Amino acid sequence: AQKITQTQPGMFVQEKEAVTLDCTYDTSDPSYGLFWYKQPSSGEMIFLIYQGSYDQQNATEGRYSLNFQKARKSANLVISASQLGDSAMYFCAMREEYSSASKIIFGSGTRLSIRP
Amino acid sequence: AAGVIQSPRHLIKEKRETATLKCYPIPRHDTVYWYQQGPGQDPQFLISFYEKMQSDKGSIPDRFSAQQFSDYHSELNMSSLELGDSALYFCASSLGRYQETQYFGPGTRLLVL
Repeated sequence: AQKITQTQPGMFVQEKEAVTLDCTYDTSDPSYGLFWYKQPSSGEMIFLIYQGSYDQQNATEGRYSLNFQKARKSANLVISASQLGDSAMYFCAMREEYSSASKIIFGSGTRLSIRP
Repeated sequence: AAGVIQSPRHLIKEKRETATLKCYPIPRHDTVYWYQQGPGQDPQFLISFYEKMQSDKGSIPDRFSAQQFSDYHSELNMSSLELGDSALYFCASSLGRYQETQYFGPGTRLLVL
């Protein structure tokens, strides 16, 4: 079974609009962490935001926020006021405290394209 | 701020050759992870080290080996290279084995001909 599911293989968004990238996860661990990484065409993997399973509030980092709905097992990334430089592949990922210890499990990614 | 350094950034090898990829973690980070990302795929965990000891093992082929040295840098050794080993290899580091955030290096792009 897929641990991380990203159902949007590609998205097109107009510049300055907000965009939501979907992510659902599957785990039985009581303690886990959720991440979003950005991978531009140059290939590097850039950490964007982190949400711990016990965090009460949704994580925010500048224009990025994570809409964490624990009961629904979803961790959507919201990018406000999108910019041309936001065009990239976005990966949702998870680390399980007990099942997979230190490794991060990635989803299949969503390719976001920002239109000028 | 200092980031994870990987070398080389690009590597071209022939089938059956060997390759060594190097990773220098962020200063004071004691945990290193290796991931392999095939073309159009998501990164897959290979192996990790904490305080110079192997801590977790993923889908790393037997032809590959890795270690972490006393200065915390790590090397991934790949032997008998196959065409399917062509991929982007990431190293990531964190402070502590269970810290929430792994910071990735720029990757080494390996092409096997």
